[in-house]
Amino acid sequence: EAGVVQSPRYKIIEKKQPVAFWCNPISGHNTLYWYLQNLGQGPELLIRYENEEAVDDSQLPKDRFSAERLKGVDSTLKIQPAELGDSAVYLCASSLGGRNTIYFGEGSWLTVV
Amino acid sequence: QKEVEQDPGPLSVPEGAIVSLNCTYSNSAFQYFMWYRQYSRKGPELLMYTYSSGNKEDGRFTAQVDKSSKYISLFIRDSQPSDSATYLCAMSAVTGNQFYFGTGTSLTVIP
Repeated sequence: EAGVVQSPRYKIIEKKQPVAFWCNPISGHNTLYWYLQNLGQGPELLIRYENEEAVDDSQLPKDRFSAERLKGVDSTLKIQPAELGDSAVYLCASSLGGRNTIYFGEGSWLTVV
Repeated sequence: QKEVEQDPGPLSVPEGAIVSLNCTYSNSAFQYFMWYRQYSRKGPELLMYTYSSGNKEDGRFTAQVDKSSKYISLFIRDSQPSDSATYLCAMSAVTGNQFYFGTGTSLTVIP
């Protein structure tokens, strides 16, 4: 069974440029998460989807970040414009509703210069 | 106060040592407890998953939960250089699909 797939793995962009990350969750997993992980820190939730619905986006900086999950499967996280402080790892994870554990992708490593 | 506290280390041990990694938490509603291993430049990989109190063993790894003390541990026996990674604890309540993570403990096993 394929795990959570993310792309791109690495991205270097100049500040003020846009960037987008894509995630394909484990097949059948209805809950999808985007986390931010800074160096030396644990993952911090940005947004959680239950199927197509964003049920928790309270920590998503909505002035520059947006996300979508079309058809309740793949998801895209966008940053526009990027700032130097956005340099971090963006982790996508998924879970099967009712199962209290989540599975992560390899992450998308963003460097803003 | 953070919901989950974890000593960031770093922790350095010789090969073959027993490693103990720990987390404390404040929310008594947490019932599910997880340990993830994260290698450098990789995503977190689920290592151990336990429900409520007690021990769970998987090969060289043992996860222990003490709900009365709000304390969880991961023991690694006969540690190997390949165990060098950051270990994250995570936990959740019965409902809500919300997970709370520690900051991770960096472990280096020296050959």
